[in-house]
Amino acid sequence: DAKTTQPTSMDCAEGRAANLPCNHSTISGNEYVYWYRQIHSQGPQYIIHGLKNNETNEMASLIITEDRKSSTLILPHATLRDTAVYYCIGYTGTASKLTFGTGTRLQVTL
Amino acid sequence: ETGVTQSPTHLIKTRGQQVTLRCSSQSGHNTVSWYQQALGQGPQFIFQYYREEENGRGNFPPRFSGLQFPNYSSELNVNALELDDSALYLCASSLGGRWDGYTFGSGTRLTVV
Repeated sequence: DAKTTQPTSMDCAEGRAANLPCNHSTISGNEYVYWYRQIHSQGPQYIIHGLKNNETNEMASLIITEDRKSSTLILPHATLRDTAVYYCIGYTGTASKLTFGTGTRLQVTL
Repeated sequence: ETGVTQSPTHLIKTRGQQVTLRCSSQSGHNTVSWYQQALGQGPQFIFQYYREEENGRGNFPPRFSGLQFPNYSSELNVNALELDDSALYLCASSLGGRWDGYTFGSGTRLTVV
């Protein structure tokens, strides 16, 4: 499993873009970069995943560097409801487990 | 479609007792995983069940055991409870081969006193 490194916490003003970085220098060629988030008192929620190319869905965008050693999750217009812990995970898509780190606690403020 | 449902939501047990936690997987999902989340930590993988068979196990002792039923619901059993077993226990379901990840329940908060 790839070891991922994320900042412990970040702040973002409501309405601004939140850019959450993740380092995954040991990611293997068959591991996708997955992002989950966990809002207080809930289970983790899938956000997005990607292998090499940048990806976008209704929740977020994922930018992966060409060497795949790091990525950035972008929430284009953060709201108070985006306050959560965000986890970056390397995952093959077929392995039985997700390996969570301690994630980034994003606080969105007025 | 219904999501993942876990019961009970909260539970208090005494050290040395046994506990059973239950999980109903999302409709159509055939794989269930269990995770333990201590306060301030990320979830840690306990084990996974696929079509009623254990399909991977994390670094947890044998007193953590599980079952998956023909309807794909699942139970997590923990024997000889220890104080360090106090945590949020999360169940996640998926349909094997899908790439959009796992669907997690809201968890069972277990407190061992």
